[in-house]
Amino acid sequence: DGGITQSPKYLFRKEGQNVTLSCEQNLNHDAMYWYRQDPGQGLRLIYYSQIVNDFQKGDIAEGYSVSREKKESFPLTVTSAQKNPTAFYLCASSIKASTGEQFFGPGTRLTVL
Amino acid sequence: AQTVTQSQPEMSVQEAETVTLSCTYDTSESDYYLFWYKQPPSRQMILVIRQEAYKQQNATENRFSVNFQKAAKSFSLKISDSQLGDAAMYFCAYRSTFSGTYKYIFGTGTRLKVLA
Repeated sequence: DGGITQSPKYLFRKEGQNVTLSCEQNLNHDAMYWYRQDPGQGLRLIYYSQIVNDFQKGDIAEGYSVSREKKESFPLTVTSAQKNPTAFYLCASSIKASTGEQFFGPGTRLTVL
Repeated sequence: AQTVTQSQPEMSVQEAETVTLSCTYDTSESDYYLFWYKQPPSRQMILVIRQEAYKQQNATENRFSVNFQKAAKSFSLKISDSQLGDAAMYFCAYRSTFSGTYKYIFGTGTRLKVLA
C-alpha cells in the first residue's frame, strides 16, 4: 500500500537532548513537509522540501533541522535549542510543491520530560 | 500575508442532520486552492474536499459540499446526513499558487460533535 509512515508514534526526550523523527513515503512524491500541532492551534509549518537535496524554512524553523538525501525520506531533528518541543508532529507529502493536495502521515507525539 | 479564520471552535449536530462549518480567509491573490481536512481522534489528517479558486462551481464529495464565495472570501463546509464517524476536528486550509510560496495556511479548527 502506498502511503506515509512516521515513527515512532510516541517519543520521550530529556531536556537538552536532540531527537530525530522519521518520515518515509512511497508515493513517489517530490515535495515533503513537516508541521507542528499544538492544542487549540492549527498546523504550523516547520520545514518543507520541494525536491531532493533542497529544503526551505517554514514559519517556525528555529530549533529544528531537516535533511532530504533521498526522495522518500525527510527526517526532522528537534534540537536542544527548541524551547518548547512538546507537541504533535505531522509529516506530509504532495506530488509537487506547486500542484496537488498534501497527504499526511499518522504523526508523532513528542514529550519532553 | 494570508490568513485563515475558523470562528467556531466547536459545533454539534444530531445524527442524520445537516451542519455547516465556517471558514473565512484573507488574501490579495486571485488564484489559489482551498481545502477542508478532517482529523478524527486517531489524529490522522484526511482530505475531505478541495476547491480551486478559478472554478465557480462548488466542489462536492458525496455528503460533503462547499459554499465558495470568492468575493466574500468565504469557504464553508456543509455535511449532510451527519454520521457518528463524522465527529472530528475540521481544518480549513489555503494554499497559494505563486511560485516559491506553496505552503499551506491552516485555520485553528472546528471540533464537530455528532449526537446520537
